[in-house]
Amino acid sequence: GAGVSQTPSNKVTEKGKYVELRCDPISGHTALYWYRQSLGQGPEFLIYFQGTGAADDSGLPNDRFFAVRPEGSVSTLKIQRTERGDSAVYLCASSSTRGDEQYFGPGTRLTVT
Amino acid sequence: AQRVTQPEKLLSVFKGAPVELKCNYSYSGSPELFWYVQYSRQRLQLLLRHISRESIKGFTADLNKGETSFHLKKPFAQEEDSAMYYCALKRGAQKLVFGQGTRLTINP
Repeated sequence: GAGVSQTPSNKVTEKGKYVELRCDPISGHTALYWYRQSLGQGPEFLIYFQGTGAADDSGLPNDRFFAVRPEGSVSTLKIQRTERGDSAVYLCASSSTRGDEQYFGPGTRLTVT
Repeated sequence: AQRVTQPEKLLSVFKGAPVELKCNYSYSGSPELFWYVQYSRQRLQLLLRHISRESIKGFTADLNKGETSFHLKKPFAQEEDSAMYYCALKRGAQKLVFGQGTRLTINP
């Protein structure tokens, strides 16, 4: 079946602009995660949704970052007033209620100029 | 604080030689540890987890609580093993803490 998908695959934006990154999880997966991967680093946790609610948003770096999952499926990561330091690959993953394996999407490469 | 350390950013071995990718962790509770792999132009995927105690693609990893390590091993490397490998610790209910990763290159 279809895996986790993310759009866009690449996004270039100017400093100060607003961006939205989208994640479509595997159908039926109730848990959804966002990670950020900077160059040369491993993925860093940002936020975790169980259904529609954010169960853990402790990884969001500041209040410029926000994520929603209004219907418990698709999620959008929103970044306001982007900064050059936000440049990274943003990864989304999903998992089922019973299994704990996280299935990752291909990522969105965000470049802030 | 929970932390995962992979001391080698790069590792290069010849085909047929043994491979060991090091992973050390710090965690106050009972850890759940994983190895993830990312092949060229593919997405990050689970390779193995310590609770399964299984061998995947010839790789094994043993949790050593005394040394707080979870090293990944394979007795005979193959060219298709070339990839980026990440050790990860599950913290809390679901979130993963990743190491910096090791790029493994298998030379023919």
